[in-house]
Amino acid sequence: EDQVTQSPEALRLQEGESSSLNCSYTVSGLRGLFWYRQDPGKGPEFLFTLYSAGEEKEKERLKATLTKKESFLHITAPKPEDSATYLCAASNSGYALNFGKGTSLLVTP
Amino acid sequence: NAGVMQNPRHLVRRRGQEARLRCSPMKGHSHVYWYRQLPEEGLKFMVYLQKENIIDESGMPKERFSAEFPKEGPSILRIQQVVRGDSAAYFCASSSSWDRVNYGYTFGSGTRLTVV
Repeated sequence: EDQVTQSPEALRLQEGESSSLNCSYTVSGLRGLFWYRQDPGKGPEFLFTLYSAGEEKEKERLKATLTKKESFLHITAPKPEDSATYLCAASNSGYALNFGKGTSLLVTP
Repeated sequence: NAGVMQNPRHLVRRRGQEARLRCSPMKGHSHVYWYRQLPEEGLKFMVYLQKENIIDESGMPKERFSAEFPKEGPSILRIQQVVRGDSAAYFCASSSSWDRVNYGYTFGSGTRLTVV
C-alpha cells in the first residue's frame, strides 16, 4: 500500500536555527514528490515538485531534496514567518496526491 | 487572478440534510481535484474532473457523494444525507495540463463542513 510518512510531527526552532523535515514514501512508480506549506485556516500553498532521485530545488530559505525513499525539506536560518505546517505528498498517477500528515513548525524569535 | 475560489467557507448542516460545496478553478485551468481533510488526518484525494467528465473518482465514498464539473459554472461536490463523520475540511485544487511541473496544483482555502 502506498504510504507517505512525515517526521517529526512537530518541531520548534529558534529564529536562525537550521533544521530538516523528513518525508518517507513507499509509492510504486513515483511520478512526483510535492512539498506544500499550509497556514491555519488556509489551503496548501505549493512549494516544490521533485521528480527523480538526486534532484534538488531551492526557494529562499527552503531547499528540497529527493532520494529513492525519502525527501528532505531543509530550512536554513528560519524566521518566525516560516511557522506553518509543511506537507509532503507523493503521486504515482500524475494527478492524485497522497499526502502525509504534515510537520507543524514553530519558529520563535 | 483570484485563484481557486471555494464557497461557502463554512457550512453547518443537520444530519440527513444535503451539502453542496462549490469550487471555481483558476482562470485558464480545466482540471479540478477534490480532497478531504479529516481532523488529525492528512488530505485524502477524492475525485479528479475535467469539464463535463469524471476522470478518476476512486477516492469518493461509494454512497451519498457525487461530483460534477459542468461546461459552464463551478465544480460541485454534493453530499446527500450527511452524517457526523462527514464533518471535515474539503479542499478543491485546479491545474492546467502544462503547469503542474512548475506550479503544482493550486488549492482553494477550503470549505469547513460541520454536521450537527
